[in-house]
Amino acid sequence: QVQLVQSGAEVKKPGASVKVSCKASGYTFTSHAITWVRQAPGQGLEWMGLISGYNGNTNYAQNFQGRVTMTTDTSTNTAYLELKNLRSDDTAVYYCARVPNWYLDYWGQGTLVTVSS
Amino acid sequence: EIVLTQSPGTLSLSPGERATLSCRASQSVRANYLAWYQQKPGQAPRLLVYGASTRATGIPDRFSGSGSGTDFTLTISRLEPEDFAVYYCQQYVSSLVTFGSGTKVDIK
Repeated sequence: QVQLVQSGAEVKKPGASVKVSCKASGYTFTSHAITWVRQAPGQGLEWMGLISGYNGNTNYAQNFQGRVTMTTDTSTNTAYLELKNLRSDDTAVYYCARVPNWYLDYWGQGTLVTVSS
Repeated sequence: EIVLTQSPGTLSLSPGERATLSCRASQSVRANYLAWYQQKPGQAPRLLVYGASTRATGIPDRFSGSGSGTDFTLTISRLEPEDFAVYYCQQYVSSLVTFGSGTKVDIK
């Protein structure tokens, strides 16, 4: 069965960087893209960007251009999200999700990133 | 960027009632690249419907999606206790994804 398992919760200081991982299993990793979505406390879903599992091509949401880097490691079927220069309003649960076509069919369990001095 | 507006913000209904959720796009959504998700507290979202009207695997047939162009609807024919949750619509165009702000369906 398809599973996306994310790394654990993180606490970071403002200005620091965070790297969240998303390990995929149960399907051919290179056949589908992975996307990242975040959700601030009590708020809605915000799309951050996506990365092709096939060739690593990325497409980032404009709000995160310059601060976000998405990568994959096809040897371990793992996708990574790195967000730099963290601010307090980056405190959120970060989700990875598989993109078989254009919709998001399987989601990771979420990773809480807390930014606090 | 296409903006998705969901209404109402909150829908208060009783179990067994019918729920009708709206998602309106600021521009036409090409090829009906419109999906719906359900999210319960503390959980990741779950895909319900894609292509505006195709139910995802394992989704009960009380959930149905309809619409085209700029106006889309998610209908829950008879609310079960487990259906009280937040629902989001999502569109995809030019490799960009946007979500609506969500509709909360709560118990009246």
